[in-house]
Amino acid sequence: GQNIDQPTEMTATEGAIVQINCTYQTSGFNGLFWYQQHAGEAPTFLSYNVLDGLEEKGRFSSFLSRSKGYSYLLLKELQMKDSASYLCAVKDSNYQLIWGAGTKLIIKP
Amino acid sequence: ETGVTQTPRHLVMGMTNKKSLKCEQHLGHNAMYWYKQSAKKPLELMFVYSLEERVENNSVPSRFSPECPNSSHLFLHLHTLQPEDSALYLCASSQDPPGTRVTGELFFGEGSRLTVL
Repeated sequence: GQNIDQPTEMTATEGAIVQINCTYQTSGFNGLFWYQQHAGEAPTFLSYNVLDGLEEKGRFSSFLSRSKGYSYLLLKELQMKDSASYLCAVKDSNYQLIWGAGTKLIIKP
Repeated sequence: ETGVTQTPRHLVMGMTNKKSLKCEQHLGHNAMYWYKQSAKKPLELMFVYSLEERVENNSVPSRFSPECPNSSHLFLHLHTLQPEDSALYLCASSQDPPGTRVTGELFFGEGSRLTVL
């Protein structure tokens, strides 16, 4: 079967750095997405990785290792507004999206 | 504001009621999706429409009935639901056709929170 694993919940301190991991076992790989979802709001697109390496976008970076079936989302200089759920999704060999259950990130002052 | 609007935001219904969820996208996209989001579970794809034609129906019970009258509007008709159908129902759209190499990011609405009593 196809599977995406993410930690259910993480806690971090304002101003710090946090890394949210995502491991996947899918039938093929055609890209990995990260979305952010604040409570009661729409998921919004953060990043897309299809090649190995690190993609940086402001305070957020996303890393991919296809050989390890692994990605992470790195959030720097954490702000209270970063409290949200972070969803990882992989596009498989049929270009279908396989979703993780999401990681709820709690930021404390 | 994501360009995808869902109504109602909250809905409480009994098991014998009939109700509908509405989704409208203002992005000029050609593909629209219904997802079910339950607590601590992955998003479940329910239906996909491309250019108003249903292209995917992921073994969803017949008590859920989608309708796509045009490329900007999507409905989910609900009837004789069960308490386990209580969840957040998310609508999404994409610029590119679904399930292809070029299919990019999805644009989601804020969802309709459904409670079935």
